Formats: sequence, structure tokens, C-alpha cells
Amino acid sequence: QVQLQESGAGLVKPSETLSLTCTVSGGSTSSYYWTWIRQPPGKGLEWIGNIHYSGNTNYNPSLKSRVTISLDTSKNQFSLNLTSVTAADTALYYCARAGNSWYAIGVWGQGTMVTVSS
Amino acid sequence: DIQMTQSPSSLSASVGDRVTITCRAGQTISRFLNWYQQKPGKAPKLLIYAASSLQSGAPSRFSGSGSGTDFTLTISSVQPEDFATYYCQQSYSTPQTFGQGTKVEIK
Repeated sequence: QVQLQESGAGLVKPSETLSLTCTVSGGSTSSYYWTWIRQPPGKGLEWIGNIHYSGNTNYNPSLKSRVTISLDTSKNQFSLNLTSVTAADTALYYCARAGNSWYAIGVWGQGTMVTVSS
Repeated sequence: DIQMTQSPSSLSASVGDRVTITCRAGQTISRFLNWYQQKPGKAPKLLIYAASSLQSGAPSRFSGSGSGTDFTLTISSVQPEDFATYYCQQSYSTPQTFGQGTKVEIK
């Protein structure tokens, strides 16, 4: 059964870059859409973007100028970089896997909290 | 962006009640509508995809319906473990967007 695990810094200073990695176990990254979603404390879910195993990426326009998602199939990992962070980027960040047909997100990581603070 | 509007924002129900949550899309999304359940401190869990298809492992008391712009999630007989927050999500176009959530609480 495929499992996802986020890793990365839990505290990032304002104006710096948030970097997270998601490690995929029990399955291959050579299919599906690999996705990042975030949830500010006490609030709802925001779709950040995804990367297809072909390398094609889709980003939320609200973040597009600051976000990069990459995929390393040899390591079975995908990553999120978000530049120039502010306190508004403080959130629980989830990595997830979406299907190839209806794009529903069927597998989620447990989430990792990232706080932006000096 | 396609706006997703859920109603109600919260509701109280007793064990055994039938519960219905609605989700309206700001434009037609065919059947690209998914429902998730989230419990405190946990990642969301997919319940329904493609508007009405039950995700493997999800209890059969959950059902979904609708197409176009109007969708519903129904819990036929709510159980203690169903008290949680429910989100709809459109996966028709990017950016994918979620409803604001519906919190189902115990009456």
C-alpha cells in the first residue's frame, strides 16, 4: 500500500524559501499526479499544485510566481519550493497523490507544519 | 478560479440521522467533484470521487449525487465516527478548489 511522508524545515524565516520533500513508499512515482496542498491553522484546504509523472506541472495562480514542484523518479520523491515566504504561508503542508482520470486525491501524507517566523 | 460553496457550514445531528451536505460550483464542472472527510489532527480522506463513485474502503452509508453545478453528499445513518469536517473539491480545472467545509457535530 502506497504511503507518503513529508520532510523539511518546520520553521522558515520571512523572505526565505520553504522547501519540502515527499517520499513515496510502497509504490512508484512513474504514474499519477503528485500534489501539494496546504491548510492554515483552523482554516480550509488550498491546492498548491501538482506534477505529472511526465514532468508536466500545474500551479495555483495565486502562488505561481513563487512555487516550483519537481519530481525525482529515481528516488521516488517529489518536492515543493516556495520562495519569498511570509506569515501567510504558515500552514500544515500535505503531499498527496491524485488519480489519472478524475484527479481525485486518494492518498495523502500525514502533513507537516511549517511556520514562517523570524 | 472556480468557486465552490458548501452549505451548511455546520450542522448538528444525532446518531442514526440522515445528513445531507450540498456543494455548488461557480460554473459547470461535469462530474469532476470529490468529497473528503477530515477529522481533527488527521489528513483528509477521500470518500466519493466523480460525484457519485464510492472510494474503496469508504462505508456504503456515504453516497454522492449531482452533475454540472449542484452536488450533494448524503450520510444515510450517521455514526459516531462520522462526526468530522467534510470538504467538496472540484478537479475539473486548475487550480483545483475546495469548498469551505461543513462541520458535522453531535447533537
